[in-house]
Amino acid sequence: LAKTTQPISMDSYEGQEVNITCSHNNIATNDYITWYQQFPSQGPRFIIQGYKTKVTNEVASLFIPADRKSSTLSLPRVSLSDTAVYYCLVGDMGYQKVTFGIGTKLQVIP
Amino acid sequence: DAGVTQSPTHLIKTRGQQVTLRCSPISGHKSVSWYQQVLGQGPQFIFQYYEKEERGRGNFPDRFSARQFPNYSSELNVNALLLGDSALYLCASSLEGQGGGDTQYFGPGTRLTVL
Repeated sequence: LAKTTQPISMDSYEGQEVNITCSHNNIATNDYITWYQQFPSQGPRFIIQGYKTKVTNEVASLFIPADRKSSTLSLPRVSLSDTAVYYCLVGDMGYQKVTFGIGTKLQVIP
Repeated sequence: DAGVTQSPTHLIKTRGQQVTLRCSPISGHKSVSWYQQVLGQGPQFIFQYYEKEERGRGNFPDRFSARQFPNYSSELNVNALLLGDSALYLCASSLEGQGGGDTQYFGPGTRLTVL
C-alpha cells in the first residue's frame, strides 16, 4: 500500500470550504485514492473514491492531478458536524492489507 | 439496505479471558475484514476473509483468530486477553475483496475493555 502524508490537524470556520491535501508519491498504476471520515468511537465512514481527475458526490469533491502523486479532498461549506478525523488511503482498497495513518483531525470553529 | 452490523456494542473482560466478536456484512458483500483501533491511532488491519478463506493477515499474534461463515458473516476471537487488547474492533465489508475500485464499508465497532 502506498505511503501517504497528510496534515495532522486543521482548523476551519463554519461555512468555509476546507481542502485537505494528501501526498502519495509512490502510488501504483492500479491504486485508487479513498477518503474516510471518522467520528470518535465510531467506524470510519466512506466519503469518496477516485482514480484520476475530479470526482464529486453529494458531500465532497476529490481532485487528482495528472501525475496522481497527490490528491485533495474538498468539503464545501463545512459545519460543526464535520469536525472529525479524515483518512486518505491509497491502494487496492478491496484486496490489500489496508493501513490507516493517523489521519487529519479537522476542527470546525463556530 | 442495512449497513455492516457488529455485536456486541460494548464488552468488558478481565485479563486471560477469551472474547468473540461478531460481524454481519452488507447484503451481497462477500469479503469481511477486521481492524483494531486503539485510542489516538488509525485502524490497524487484523484479517481479511473472502468466501470463507483467509486472504490476508496483519501483524497480530496467534491469540487472534477469525472465521467466515457460509452466509458471509464473521467472528473474531481473541484468547488470553491482555490489557493492551483494549480497543475499538471494527469490521468492514466489501463486494469481492479485490479490484481497485472495490470499497470497504465499516461497521460501528465493538468497544472492548480489558481489566
